[in-house]
Formats: sequence, structure tokens, C-alpha cells
Amino acid sequence: AQSVTQPDIHITVSEGASLELRCNYSYGATPYLFWYVQSPGQGLQLLLKYFSGDTLVQGIKGFEAEFKRSQSSFNLRKPSVHWSDAAEYFCAVPNDYKLSFGAGTTVTVRA
Amino acid sequence: DSGVTQTPKHLITATGQRVTLRCSPRSGDLSVYWYQQSLDQGLQFLIHYYNGEERAKGNILERFSAQQFPDLHSELNLSSLELGDSALYFCASSFTGDEQYFGPGTRLTVT
Repeated sequence: AQSVTQPDIHITVSEGASLELRCNYSYGATPYLFWYVQSPGQGLQLLLKYFSGDTLVQGIKGFEAEFKRSQSSFNLRKPSVHWSDAAEYFCAVPNDYKLSFGAGTTVTVRA
Repeated sequence: DSGVTQTPKHLITATGQRVTLRCSPRSGDLSVYWYQQSLDQGLQFLIHYYNGEERAKGNILERFSAQQFPDLHSELNLSSLELGDSALYFCASSFTGDEQYFGPGTRLTVT
């Protein structure tokens, strides 16, 4: 079964600084991969997806992610964080008929 | 706005009671998925319906059941509620089976 792990439970970043969230996947072939964001009290919003092709994927809200087969990673990045980016971020991979999620990374943005 | 709607937004009920959560998928999506999000278990897949038929079950308790109706909306029924059932319940819909769009969730509190 495919799975993803997010090594960082919590990250604090200053407003305007860059952000990188780690996601490692476990699967032999090229997986489909997703990043979702959950703002406090909200549902999950799809930020971006990787199916195949270009390894650098652009998403919404200024986020991008890079698929690196050699490192089994799909890390999420944003060059300059805004206070509204404070949220929980989940990496996910399709697994049979469902999505399997990582444990999530909570991002705190300090002024 | 993902296009997936869920009602109610909040639900407070007592132990032993039964509740019904409702989900309307995005226009054109035939698949509906239910997930439970709790602090200790994270995001857990419960059940998947495709065009009215059950396709897959995850960690769904026997006290829980779901169905998808001809108009494609879905209901998740939770009975004999226990304190531990308090959680956020999300519905997601999909056309492709991989890319899933989530509703805002129903927060269930069992007292």
C-alpha cells in the first residue's frame, strides 16, 4: 500500500520568510501525490497535485512542490509566507479507493 | 469553495443517540467518500460510494452506516454514539477517483 510521512509536526516561520514542508512517499512506481491545506475550523482545500511530467508543480496561493524520485519526496514550498498561511498542511496519496494522508504539519506564522 | 456541501456544520448530541450527516457532491462527481478526523487518529477513511454502490470500506464501525441516493447525495448515519465518536466528519467527492474535493465538514460533539 502506498503511504506518505510528514516528518515535521510543527513549524514556526516569520512572515515574509520562506517555507518548506517535507513529505516522503513509500511506493515503487511513480505515485500520484497531493498537498491539502486545512485552515482553522475549515475543510481541506487542494493546494496542488502531481500526476506525472514536470517535477515542479505550481499550485494555488503561491505554493509549489517538487517531486524528487531519488529522495522519494514531494516537498511543499512557498517563497514568502503570509500570516494567512497559518494552517495545517497534509500530504496525501491515493490508495485503492481512498486517500491516505500524512499526519500533517501545523504551520505557525509569527509577525 | 470546493462545491461539496455538508450539513449540518455542527452537531451536539448525547451518548446513545443517532445522527445523520448529509453530503452533496460537486456537480458531475459520482464518487463520495467519508472521512473522520480526530486528534488521536488523524484523518481516517470510512467509506466510499460510487454512483449509489458501496465500493470500499475503511475503518468504519459497525454502528456507522452510509448510503448514496439516486441524486448522488450521501448520508452517513452514526448510531449508539459514544464520547469517542466526537470528531470532524468530512465528505469528499471525485470524478477521477484520485483527485478528491472536500466539504467543510460536520463537527460532531457527543456529550
